[in-house]
Amino acid sequence: RKEVEQDPGPFNVPEGATVAFNCTYSNSASQSFFWYRQDCRKEPKLLMSVYSSGNEDGRFTAQLNRASQYISLLIRDSKLSDSATYLCVVNIDAGKSTFGDGTTLTVKP
Amino acid sequence: DTGVSQDPRHKITKRGQNVTFRCDPISEHNRLYWYRQTLGQGPEFLTYFQNEAQLEKSRLLSDRFSAERPKGSFSTLEIQRTEQGDSAMYLCASSYGQGEYEKLFFGSGTQLSVL
Repeated sequence: RKEVEQDPGPFNVPEGATVAFNCTYSNSASQSFFWYRQDCRKEPKLLMSVYSSGNEDGRFTAQLNRASQYISLLIRDSKLSDSATYLCVVNIDAGKSTFGDGTTLTVKP
Repeated sequence: DTGVSQDPRHKITKRGQNVTFRCDPISEHNRLYWYRQTLGQGPEFLTYFQNEAQLEKSRLLSDRFSAERPKGSFSTLEIQRTEQGDSAMYLCASSYGQGEYEKLFFGSGTQLSVL
C-alpha cells in the first residue's frame, strides 16, 4: 500500500462546477499536509497548506481529518485555468515530503 | 531569476554511461532535495541536504546514485552506469527548513532519457 493515495481521475468538469478531491495517508504520525499543483510538463508548485482547522484560499478549501487520515481539496466555481494535476503531500517529519500520484482535473468550457 | 535552477533541462545518454545533474537552490534556502518523477506518478523522494550535510537518503536509491552539496550551495546528482529504468524527470527543490511545515520550491527538472 502506498503511503499517500489519491484517486487518479481524470475528473472532467464544466466551467463553474464544484469539484472535490480526497487523499488518504497511512502513517498516523504524519505531521503536516499540503496540496501542490502540477501543470503538464512543469514542476509542482505549492497550492496551499492544510491545517487541522481547515483553511480556505479564495475558491479553494482544504480540510484535514486526522482520525480518518484523509485530506480533501474543494474547488468552487472551476476555471479553465484550474486544469492541472493536484498532488497531495504529507510530511512525517521535517525534511521528507511524500507525494501522492496526483489527481488530474480537466475543466471544459 | 531567484528561483531554483537545474541544468541541463534534457539529457539523452546511452545505457552504461555516467550522468551528472546540477541544481542551484534559492540562495537563502538551507535545505535542498532531490526527487524523481515518472509519467503518471508523483515525485519520489531520493535524498535531502541541510546545508552541506546529507541527512537522509531513500532506501530505494541504489549505490549507483550519489549526491553532493559542497559548501551548502549548489548540489550535484550523479548516476553511474545508467540503466533504462533510470529514465525519469529529476527534480530539485529547496526550502527554508521550517520544520514539518516545509514548503518546497521546485526547479524545472532535468529530463533523463537512457537509450
